[in-house]
Amino acid sequence: DAKTTQPPSMDCAEGRAANLPCNHSTISGNEYVYWYRQIHSQGPQYIIHGLKNNETNEMASLIITEDRKSSTLILPHATLRDTAVYYCIVRVLGSGGFKTIFGAGTRLFVKA
Amino acid sequence: DTEVTQTPKHLVMGMTNKKSLKCEQHMGHRAMYWYKQKAKKPPELMFVYSYEKLSINESVPSRFSPECPNSSLLNLHLHALQPEDSALYLCASSQAAGSSFNEQFFGPGTRLTVL
Repeated sequence: DAKTTQPPSMDCAEGRAANLPCNHSTISGNEYVYWYRQIHSQGPQYIIHGLKNNETNEMASLIITEDRKSSTLILPHATLRDTAVYYCIVRVLGSGGFKTIFGAGTRLFVKA
Repeated sequence: DTEVTQTPKHLVMGMTNKKSLKCEQHMGHRAMYWYKQKAKKPPELMFVYSYEKLSINESVPSRFSPECPNSSLLNLHLHALQPEDSALYLCASSQAAGSSFNEQFFGPGTRLTVL
């Protein structure tokens, strides 16, 4: 089972910041939080990852709480092309090694 | 080259057919993955290959048979599939499966329809 929970859907106005929350209360101390997104009918695309500190790249910012039990992905100026399903992932340790298990994700609708 | 390619893009097959899906990457990655995605659902992990050896099989039915002939190629052989196996099949790769940081690069997928 996925180790993360996210709201099923969110709306955002074009040009505004989109803030996507994720709960991962069972995360272990050395596991990264990963964010991917999937635009309709395409393969998932890596966005950003983080361990303890906040992170920023050309696509987004990632804010991780001090206790690491939750995080927020921020798209600073959302565009229509950011409409997608956003997945927050913490890998699960199984008998064969770590596995990337996708949860249901958040469907973000960016509206003009 | 940071691309994972998958062929074919679309595949229609009957329940008695044998077909194969192909995935290729030239990023020097040593871990490769197959995922299955049904409509409006998240991707589900099927298989993980690490250094060309199968390391994870998520209890996938034997009608799906993965193969990793070399570090750049990953195949998924299909035989006697059922209509419920119709889905988008995604391939991904990463530098190594066991490392603490694991960014996966996904291909565009093969959309499979079983009649």
